[in-house]
Amino acid sequence: AQSVTQPDIHITVSEGASLELRCNYSYGATPYLFWYVQSPGQGLQLLLKYFSGDTLVQGIKGFEAEFKRSQSSFNLRKPSVHWSDAAEYFCAVASRGNNNDMRFGAGTRLTVKP
Amino acid sequence: GAVVSQHPSWVICKSGTSVKIECRSLDFQATTMFWYRQFPKQSLMLMATSNEGSKATYEQGVEKDKFLINHASLTLSTLTVTSAHPEDSSFYICSARPPGGDYGYTFGSGTRLTVV
Repeated sequence: AQSVTQPDIHITVSEGASLELRCNYSYGATPYLFWYVQSPGQGLQLLLKYFSGDTLVQGIKGFEAEFKRSQSSFNLRKPSVHWSDAAEYFCAVASRGNNNDMRFGAGTRLTVKP
Repeated sequence: GAVVSQHPSWVICKSGTSVKIECRSLDFQATTMFWYRQFPKQSLMLMATSNEGSKATYEQGVEKDKFLINHASLTLSTLTVTSAHPEDSSFYICSARPPGGDYGYTFGSGTRLTVV
């Protein structure tokens, strides 16, 4: 069955520390891959996406993600976290092709300590 | 470009009444739109895929008669929560995928529904 897994429900890091949020997927073929961020009570903001090509993807706000086919993973990273990065992060996948729906992981809540 | 507008942003209704939520693609045509529901502190769960000019495709466990979806034009899909109950209180979000090579999905800003 198709699925996307975010193993970490909640992560706490100190401001200035590095961050890595994990995402694994199980799909028949490599899907389109996305990372979104959501602040409390707000909508979704796209951080970055992967469709093909370079497996290291750069996004907004200093985030990057690396697609690893062998591990079926698409982990999100940031070298130095800012207090404003505290939010909920969702990994999402969509089957390749037109008009295919997007499925979300359970989300990882990021807390940033001063 | 590629903006999806969702209205209303929030709504409070009484139990037993119906509520309609609109999702519009402002600068592109969307033959397909998607409706999600998000409970507090949980992820987004796909409810249904809305197809212009045809019936929506519902995910398993989603009541078709309670969550009526109409996609009457290429820029508008509506979700009507019928005979709402407090357990229907949630955050509802729509999305669409603009045509072209960007392959991105655009999301509405969401509707906070509270049933009292």
